[in-house]
Amino acid sequence: DQQVKQNSPSLSVQEGRISILNCDYTNSMFDYFLWYKKYPAEGPTFLISISSIKDKNEDGRFTVFLNKSAKHLSLHIVPSQPGDSAVYFCAASRPFTSGSARQLTFGSGTQLTVLP
Amino acid sequence: DTGVSQDPRHKITKRGQNVTFRCDPISEHNRLYWYRQTLGQGPEFLTYFQNEAQLEKSRLLSDRFSAERPKGSFSTLEIQRTEQGDSAMYLCASSLDLGRVTSAQYFGPGTRLLVL
Repeated sequence: DQQVKQNSPSLSVQEGRISILNCDYTNSMFDYFLWYKKYPAEGPTFLISISSIKDKNEDGRFTVFLNKSAKHLSLHIVPSQPGDSAVYFCAASRPFTSGSARQLTFGSGTQLTVLP
Repeated sequence: DTGVSQDPRHKITKRGQNVTFRCDPISEHNRLYWYRQTLGQGPEFLTYFQNEAQLEKSRLLSDRFSAERPKGSFSTLEIQRTEQGDSAMYLCASSLDLGRVTSAQYFGPGTRLLVL
């Protein structure tokens, strides 16, 4: 069963407009959420995160919103730039049973294309 | 470059052969993770180390897979008697345990394995 879902495999946005990427999760044990960006032939790069005690976190052009009751989070990119074109992965985190380290569960990714 | 490095970046092997991958984490990071990523999916957790101790293994990690982190620094992932279903990108990540929830995992570029 997919505990983290990104239902849109792809998204195209005009340069300068807002990009909104969505993610849903099912496991209530997740308490920390992250977004990663991935370019071809590279590993995922950490972008921004949010704790479950917050509903919004901003970092420059990137804002993540968390709606715990709906088990939904979204990443907003404003304004979108062509260099933002990449695959974006949503990840949800919970503690391992063995200790304080965190297990990440990833969605399947959304390919964002920002058109010049 | 002080990021996570992986070697080799690409590996082609014949079914039944053994392969070994290496990961060098960010130098001060004490946790090291292995993930597998197949086409169209997000990374899936395989195993993690706290220093040299392997503390968690996923059910995805069959008996043919073994991982080590002998001195708490670099790690190796070996796959014995490879099968075509082992073809995937193998990603390594590391993090620093500061006793906080908000430790992100930082990924290497991955090793792409193709089993013929």
